[in-house]
Amino acid sequence: NAGVTQTPKFQVLKTGQSMTLQCAQDMNHNSMYWYRQDPGMGLRLIYYSASEGTTDKGEVPNGYNVSRLNKREFSLRLESAAPSQTSVYFCASSDQGQGNEKLFFGSGTQLSVL
Amino acid sequence: GEDVEQSLFLSVREGDSSVINCTYTDSSSTYLYWYKQEPGAGLQLLTYIFSNMDMKQDQRLTVLLNKKDKHLSLRIADTQTGDSAIYFCAEDTSGTYKYIFGTGTRLKVLA
Repeated sequence: NAGVTQTPKFQVLKTGQSMTLQCAQDMNHNSMYWYRQDPGMGLRLIYYSASEGTTDKGEVPNGYNVSRLNKREFSLRLESAAPSQTSVYFCASSDQGQGNEKLFFGSGTQLSVL
Repeated sequence: GEDVEQSLFLSVREGDSSVINCTYTDSSSTYLYWYKQEPGAGLQLLTYIFSNMDMKQDQRLTVLLNKKDKHLSLRIADTQTGDSAIYFCAEDTSGTYKYIFGTGTRLKVLA
């Protein structure tokens, strides 16, 4: 019973490098989310996907792109990493995304951009 | 705008009660939530309360909601060392896909 799986767990990038964070869920959930967690700022929504084939911007989308590859997978891409993107990234999923739903979180990716 | 605020730290002795507070601004929220984050892990839902309730009890957890003051609290009775974690309150924004999270309160339980 894996739930939400994120890879990698840790990553160090140089400014300007690109990378993709992978996320997969095995609960047949419709909605998936990417959050970043910064000290003293809680979790902020980067992008979300209400259902397969749709994606929408969250609170802090600049510098990121996403792909909802299929119902299971939702990836987050940094095209040209910047030090301000140093953070812990969490992927989450929920059944329908319409409120009163439990969000299931992955264990996070700790990203450092030098 | 939408904002959810919490104090950053709380320290209690094992066996005491812990009270973690949260203030929110979106009066249209349908549900409010408490999530727990243990070191190196993602968040896990602890409990939630419907916005037309003022209290919910779930074993050692008691959630109080004051809609007038937009204040939410989580009380943990008989706090144990295993309760040491970061606790986040969150609100959903009126049936949208957006859950707004607070800044998190780091609870440290002293043996």
